[in-house]
Amino acid sequence: EIVMTQSPATLSVSPGERATLSCRASQSVSSNLAWYQQKPGQAPRLLIYGASTRATGIPARFSGSGSGTEFTLTISSLQSEDFAVYYCQQYNNWLLFTFGPGTKVDIK
Amino acid sequence: QVQLVQSGAEVKKPGSSVKVSCKASGGTFSSYAISWVRQAPGQGLEWMGGIIPIFGTANYAQKFQGRVTITTDESTSTAYMELSSLRSEDTAVYYCARAPRYSSSSGYFDYWGQGTLVTVSS
Repeated sequence: EIVMTQSPATLSVSPGERATLSCRASQSVSSNLAWYQQKPGQAPRLLIYGASTRATGIPARFSGSGSGTEFTLTISSLQSEDFAVYYCQQYNNWLLFTFGPGTKVDIK
Repeated sequence: QVQLVQSGAEVKKPGSSVKVSCKASGGTFSSYAISWVRQAPGQGLEWMGGIIPIFGTANYAQKFQGRVTITTDESTSTAYMELSSLRSEDTAVYYCARAPRYSSSSGYFDYWGQGTLVTVSS
């Protein structure tokens, strides 16, 4: 099983600032990496797939980068609606998917 | 517009089973893959298993092997997840989620059900 780790566990950021979230895989997942945003009481929302492709309707302030084992999600200028928990997910092994433990982005 | 609508909340006794449904509308049911993901209270997302309806073959996370069964009914575009031998630790919100194509580069989840709360309590 591919193990995903995320850092930091919690990120405290002021509105308007930049947030950088990291995700690491225990072995290469190529570019088969997705990022999700989840707010309390809601289902997760797809932000990024293929490590760097924004999903439909996702604002340009969200960007993803990386390949292999190291990935980054950057939110260029945090808006109030961006405070949430962010998860990465690998799908390199078809139908043996795994999620990272999440990074909570909260207001500084 | 794709929609995944799940069945309602369940309360179960330890040792029993639960079966949650996920009805899809929009898109072509047989052309994508459905996974089940659960989230215990205050915890992260956990992939349980998935199925490609057109093939009918499911794959499961090792943790749930032998306890979970995922099936589909193409005639009603519905996927099911049955979890047996329930224990208190299975209390969670269970989501179905769609991967847009059954290929190794398309295993991300672009649509999610609304979630079904399963509570296991004596």
